Amino acid sequence: KAGVTQTPRYLIKTRGQQVTLSCSPISGHRSVSWYQQTPGQGLQFLFEYFSETQRNKGNFPGRFSGRQFSNSRSEMNVSTLELGDSALYLCASSLAPQLGSNEQFFGPGTRLTVL
Amino acid sequence: AQTVTQSQPEMSVQEAETVTLSCTYDTSENNYYLFWYKQPPSRQMILVIRQEAYKQQNATENRFSVNFQKAAKSFSLKISDSQLGDTAMYFCAFIAYGGATNKLIFGTGTLLAVQP
Repeated sequence: KAGVTQTPRYLIKTRGQQVTLSCSPISGHRSVSWYQQTPGQGLQFLFEYFSETQRNKGNFPGRFSGRQFSNSRSEMNVSTLELGDSALYLCASSLAPQLGSNEQFFGPGTRLTVL
Repeated sequence: AQTVTQSQPEMSVQEAETVTLSCTYDTSENNYYLFWYKQPPSRQMILVIRQEAYKQQNATENRFSVNFQKAAKSFSLKISDSQLGDTAMYFCAFIAYGGATNKLIFGTGTLLAVQP
């Protein structure tokens, strides 16, 4: 089975631009979660989607948004980029019919650099 | 609110030796899972081991084992016969079972260096 894939792997943007990151979960997985990893804040939960619905959201500003498609693929969008948005963005998928009951499998991440 | 604390930012161990990484957590939940994830320089997050809180028996996966002390809210990882490939950042993580979120809560990580 193919693992979680994320595209692009690397991205360079300038302040004020917007960016869209994509995540394809493992086949059969319906839950997709997004995490931001920075040296200063560590790993922080952004949001989780299950069956095309946002099930939970972390403490991030409204510039961070996401969606999930009927094939479980997910995208996250960051508008009006700030320097502090530079981070590794990790996507994780799981079967997750029951919250918290299943292992989350991580993708390789997208490294976003904001100049 | 749940928190996960890893008090050892960095550790070093000689190849073939044993090392223990510490993790404590705080929660009012009764049902939860605890995990150790490994993140090597490639940045790919890999699950090392998982422990269900309702199980008294400590989880073991080959050279990796945990010491789970529920009352003390402690969850340490022991790596036996350390190998160079074990060099990585190790994260302890918590998730509540059956709660309102599927959110993993991570500690700040321990950078483990295995020396030849």
